[in-house]
Amino acid sequence: DQQVKQNSPSLSVQEGRISILNCDYTNSMFDYFLWYKKYPAEGPTFLISISSIKDKNEDGRFTVFLNKSAKHLSLHIVPSQPGDSAVYFCAARDSGGGADGLTFGKGTHLIIQP
Amino acid sequence: EPEVTQTPSHQVTQMGQEVILRCVPISNHLYFYWYRQILGQKVEFLVSFYNNEISEKSEIFDDQFSVERPDGSNFTLKIRSTKLEDSAMYFCASSIDLTGHHTQYFGPGTRLTVL
Repeated sequence: DQQVKQNSPSLSVQEGRISILNCDYTNSMFDYFLWYKKYPAEGPTFLISISSIKDKNEDGRFTVFLNKSAKHLSLHIVPSQPGDSAVYFCAARDSGGGADGLTFGKGTHLIIQP
Repeated sequence: EPEVTQTPSHQVTQMGQEVILRCVPISNHLYFYWYRQILGQKVEFLVSFYNNEISEKSEIFDDQFSVERPDGSNFTLKIRSTKLEDSAMYFCASSIDLTGHHTQYFGPGTRLTVL
């Protein structure tokens, strides 16, 4: 039962261009969404988050868009840099309370080509 | 910048042995978590801990698992009798949730190999 889906296992983007990573979810109780970046043999590193009461959040080169009606969110990275090459995980939190565990997608491996 | 730390980075054990994985969460955080990632699979939630007790646990977190905060800084995950399928990366995370900040910050992980 995949409540958080990242349908693209990998994505290749040229340096300087925009990277768009997509995520879909099925649980309407999710109220908080996060994107994490992960390098091999390291833990997930928090990138950016968005609450369900917003439709956009921006932090430097990273912007997350949330479409609640479509149960879809996306992460935009612009411009893409070689250091952005990593696996990106979408995660979501149920609205039940502060201690709820996150539900993760399977990740998208972003490759930035020079 | 404060960060979550985990020890050891790699643990090798024999099937049936007990292991304890250790974590030091970020010092002013209130909520603590364990997750695991089996090779090639997604990160899965195991358990959350708040105010010295388990707050939530997944179906993965059965009687073989336990968590403890033995002092003011450490947070441990014990697997009582390890199985081959417990081989995975185990991540500790912590968060603070006073004003709705749900962001969980993860440690670098412990790779557990059960032989």
